[in-house]
Amino acid sequence: DGGITQSPKYLFRKEGQNVTLSCEQNLNHDAMYWYRQDPGQGLRLIYYSQIVNDFQKGDIAEGYSVSREKKESFPLTVTSAQKNPTAFYLCASRLHSGNTIYFGEGSWLTVV
Amino acid sequence: DQQVKQNSPSLSVQEGRISILNCDYTNSMFDYFLWYKKYPAEGPTFLISISSIKDKNEDGRFTVFLNKSAKHLSLHIVPSQPGDSAVYFCAASAGGSNYKLTFGKGTLLTVNP
Repeated sequence: DGGITQSPKYLFRKEGQNVTLSCEQNLNHDAMYWYRQDPGQGLRLIYYSQIVNDFQKGDIAEGYSVSREKKESFPLTVTSAQKNPTAFYLCASRLHSGNTIYFGEGSWLTVV
Repeated sequence: DQQVKQNSPSLSVQEGRISILNCDYTNSMFDYFLWYKKYPAEGPTFLISISSIKDKNEDGRFTVFLNKSAKHLSLHIVPSQPGDSAVYFCAASAGGSNYKLTFGKGTLLTVNP
């Protein structure tokens, strides 16, 4: 099946630890995105990448890092510098020729 | 500064009636608009979109209207069904090589049987 796979679905992290969320797509999409959802805040853009080996900061990039070494993969690292990391994280992708961004199922990160 | 605004956090309608969800934007560079539907703990699902060169786009029970002069768009669902109950997000893009979507905060639609 084609789609966007995020893992893990649920993740618990101790304060001070870095954690990496995985995102893989087999849609042959060019661009990939990471959004974060908080209650009442809608979806906010963390990082995005239009092409392999290139990425740009979104609106709330502080405390996060990404890499885009392969077209199908766009992992997100939540570092200890992120002040309020508990949230629902959404990965998405898009064909360069298209205007629609498609989302994965999301990953819940809870800091304990 | 919120560039995409959904001023109604929630909306409740009766099954079979029309649901109208509204969205306003401030960035005049936005030229493509999308609506997504989202259930709790799931990723958003694309519903319908509209380009700024159009003022209406229809897909089955869903119609999106765009009023560029007012910087306003709306999603009409007719007839509403209980399965339509979800959070609806309005999103906009300015196109170009750095394509990205800016989202509103969402409207929770509840369709009562």
